[in-house]
Amino acid sequence: DTAVSQTPKYLVTQMGNDKSIKCEQNLGHDTMYWYKQDSKKFLKIMFSYNNKELIINETVPNRFSPKSPDKAHLNLHINSLELGDSAVYFCASSRAGTSGGGEQFFGPGTRLTVL
Amino acid sequence: AQTVTQSQPEMSVQEAETVTLSCTYDTSESNYYLFWYKQPPSRQMILVIRQEAYKQQNATENRFSVNFQKAAKSFSLKISDSQLGDTAMYFCAFMKHTNAGKSTFGDGTTLTVKP
Repeated sequence: DTAVSQTPKYLVTQMGNDKSIKCEQNLGHDTMYWYKQDSKKFLKIMFSYNNKELIINETVPNRFSPKSPDKAHLNLHINSLELGDSAVYFCASSRAGTSGGGEQFFGPGTRLTVL
Repeated sequence: AQTVTQSQPEMSVQEAETVTLSCTYDTSESNYYLFWYKQPPSRQMILVIRQEAYKQQNATENRFSVNFQKAAKSFSLKISDSQLGDTAMYFCAFMKHTNAGKSTFGDGTTLTVKP
């Protein structure tokens, strides 16, 4: 069984469109994250949720809005897509705080291409 | 704010040889975790090894071991008996012990194992 899954794995869309990426984890973790990996492979955290509450919100444009309907799901909605949004987006999860030793479990990534 | 520096963007090693990847970090914290994650061409991020800062003993996982120098804020990864499957991008990451799982990642080192 996949521990952290993301859909879709590939997303190609036009500038100005709105799109969503879904993430689900079946590990029973309390904390979930969104990361962005750019073309140079740099990995930057965007958001973190703990028990459905936003706890980390890095400097991310307002066009990005995470939503956590329950602690097993963290979706990412992006409005008015721009060329610079093209990247691989990773969802991850971990146990709350440091109880799990801090290890994060990553999804397979969603490659977003904005044309 | 914490910073993590990986000074080697690319490295290569012959199969069966040993290679060391460097990582330094900057923090004023005394309790924290350090991690090495592996991202193969499949792009799936996987934890390789974890070190808790309060433990003096260097972590070891099979062919992977670390050299943790707390005073020098250095955390290098040694891969022994390199295998073709070790070809990947390796990320060093830092997490404060009291933080809700927020990790700071280095820029990565691309390792190529040559046959």
